[in-house]
Amino acid sequence: KQEVTQIPAALSVPEGENLVLNCSFTDSAIYNLQWFRQDPGKGLTSLLLIQSSQREQTSGRLNASLDKSSGRSTLYIAASQPGDSATYLCAVTRLSGSARQLTFGSGTQLTVLP
Amino acid sequence: AAGVIQSPRHLIKEKRETATLKCYPIPRHDTVYWYQQGPGQDPQFLISFYEKMQSDKGSIPDRFSAQQFSDYHSELNMSSLELGDSALYFCASSLRLGEETQYFGPGTRLLVL
Repeated sequence: KQEVTQIPAALSVPEGENLVLNCSFTDSAIYNLQWFRQDPGKGLTSLLLIQSSQREQTSGRLNASLDKSSGRSTLYIAASQPGDSATYLCAVTRLSGSARQLTFGSGTQLTVLP
Repeated sequence: AAGVIQSPRHLIKEKRETATLKCYPIPRHDTVYWYQQGPGQDPQFLISFYEKMQSDKGSIPDRFSAQQFSDYHSELNMSSLELGDSALYFCASSLRLGEETQYFGPGTRLLVL
């Protein structure tokens, strides 16, 4: 059974810092990996998707990397802003026929202090 | 750009009642997923549909059922509601022939009293 772990559970940084969020998964047979952002009581916003054949994806100040063989992904946020404060979730899709269900980590709660 | 639409956004029910949640996927998306997120927990996969057929099943209780209709909208039917069913219910949609990014709706917050 796939298990996804995110470290740290919570992170507080001053505005302007670069930071890295970590995600690890136990079964490397994944189809893709997605990073999401969730604001309190709100829905999930997809940030980046990395296919299993890819090593990284970039969108603006965000860069996500994937090392499938070691079961790890990182989300790098450059020049953090208070508006980046949210919970960041990583989720993997298993490589199994037509099934594409996401298995989520517990998230990293990020606070960027002004 | 059009997003996933869920209705209602909030729902209050009493124990043993029934509830129906609706999801309207992004136009031309062929796959719909339902997830349940309990308080302080990560989302858990319930069930998915591809081209109106059930494609995968997760931790969905037998009291729940779901279907996808000819216009691709989906409904999650929940019967004999229990206090523990109180949660945020998300619908997501994706395009199977695309990169398969799952786009989530805003969720339906269900409170069972």
